Amino acid sequence: AQTVTQSQPEMSVQEAETVTLSCTYDTSENNYYLFWYKQPPSRQMILVIRQEAYKQQNATENRFSVNFQKAAKSFSLKISDSQLGDTAMYFCAFPNPNSGYALNFGKGTSLLVTP
Amino acid sequence: GAGVSQSPSNKVTEKGKDVELRCDPISGHTALYWYRQSLGQGLEFLIYFQGNSAPDKSGLPSDRFSAERTGGSVSTLTIQRTQQEDSAVYLCASSLDGQFYEQYFGPGTRLTVT
Repeated sequence: AQTVTQSQPEMSVQEAETVTLSCTYDTSENNYYLFWYKQPPSRQMILVIRQEAYKQQNATENRFSVNFQKAAKSFSLKISDSQLGDTAMYFCAFPNPNSGYALNFGKGTSLLVTP
Repeated sequence: GAGVSQSPSNKVTEKGKDVELRCDPISGHTALYWYRQSLGQGLEFLIYFQGNSAPDKSGLPSDRFSAERTGGSVSTLTIQRTQQEDSAVYLCASSLDGQFYEQYFGPGTRLTVT
């Protein structure tokens, strides 16, 4: 079974600081993608970053980067220089090959960025 | 270009009534997914459409739920005889292809069953 675990229900960080959100997953697949999505209060789910499992290099998108540890099945998200607009729910997601690659989501981490 | 759109944005209905939720995917996207987001269950997969293939209905919680996708584009999720536990946000997403392309989400429909 493809399960995704986010162990931090809530986190808080001050503006301009760095925060890391944790995610672990379980799969028997060898080649796959992993995603982090952001859901602000507007409810719109927005892709933050994508990692390809066969790439050893960690993905980076501006202030967002991942620490991908394939052997440990760990996929954490680092947000640098946090901004107030980063306040949102963050979901780690893994495509389930048994359901047309529908996303299995973690329970989410609610991130609050404070001034 | 235009993103995924969903209508209505909010829907309040009485227990026992039927509701239809609509999703317009991004043009050219062959894969379409419905998810449900509720406080107790988090984000759950409901159903998946890929091109003209038969849909994967493995996530539908009961036979009161059904969905169709006409002409490989617009999709409608129907909930018959709604129950209070159906109250949730229903999200639709589309993708160029299932596996290696990110899914683009609509803004969701908040369903409240009274």
